[in-house]
Amino acid sequence: ETGVTQSPTHLIKTRGQQVTLRCSSQSGHNTVSWYQQALGQGPQFIFQYYREEENGRGNFPPRFSGLQFPNYSSELNVNALELDDSALYLCASSTRGTGFEKLFFGSGTQLSVL
Amino acid sequence: AQSVTQLGSHVSVSEGALVLLRCNYSSSVPPYLFWYVQYPNQGLQLLLKYTTGATLVKGINGFEAEFKKSETSFHLTKPSAHMSDAAEYFCGNTGKLIFGQGTTLQVKP
Repeated sequence: ETGVTQSPTHLIKTRGQQVTLRCSSQSGHNTVSWYQQALGQGPQFIFQYYREEENGRGNFPPRFSGLQFPNYSSELNVNALELDDSALYLCASSTRGTGFEKLFFGSGTQLSVL
Repeated sequence: AQSVTQLGSHVSVSEGALVLLRCNYSSSVPPYLFWYVQYPNQGLQLLLKYTTGATLVKGINGFEAEFKKSETSFHLTKPSAHMSDAAEYFCGNTGKLIFGQGTTLQVKP
């Protein structure tokens, strides 16, 4: 078990709505990364936050946005939900350094958009 | 551009048999490569990683992987499969936090 917790574990929304997913990072970690994992696919990098600033973004539209707070917890916000946003959303925390960055993953939030 | 390709979305082996999960990478710079495992209803956890140095990398639970630059490969192996190894395995490249499509390992009794 890692110290990364995500809430909620499951969520059902309708198309056009907005959603906020939350992540509490492992103690001592200053970096949070968010991933989208569609059914049968590998995790797709959404963005990363380091010390409250966005530090890299994948190929996702601006309606995917995030925040990192002073305690290094984080939120993922998705506006104008589309059916294709249905997926498992994973949060991973790490300590940014100059070499390999080991990611500690939470169990994810399963989002269903109807 | 950096990317990884996992060959075979499903691999089935008998308990005690060799496990071989294939991964090829594409990178214009020396890569940092990794394998993560995802057990049902759990978060991903790091199995092993390659950064520099020794090309044969040993990980947790008896798994190892060999970095072969000439073949642009980073295949994952385990000499003898256990039932508890059944999971989803992801190869990846940390250059841009890239994960492959995943390989589901089934272990038959």
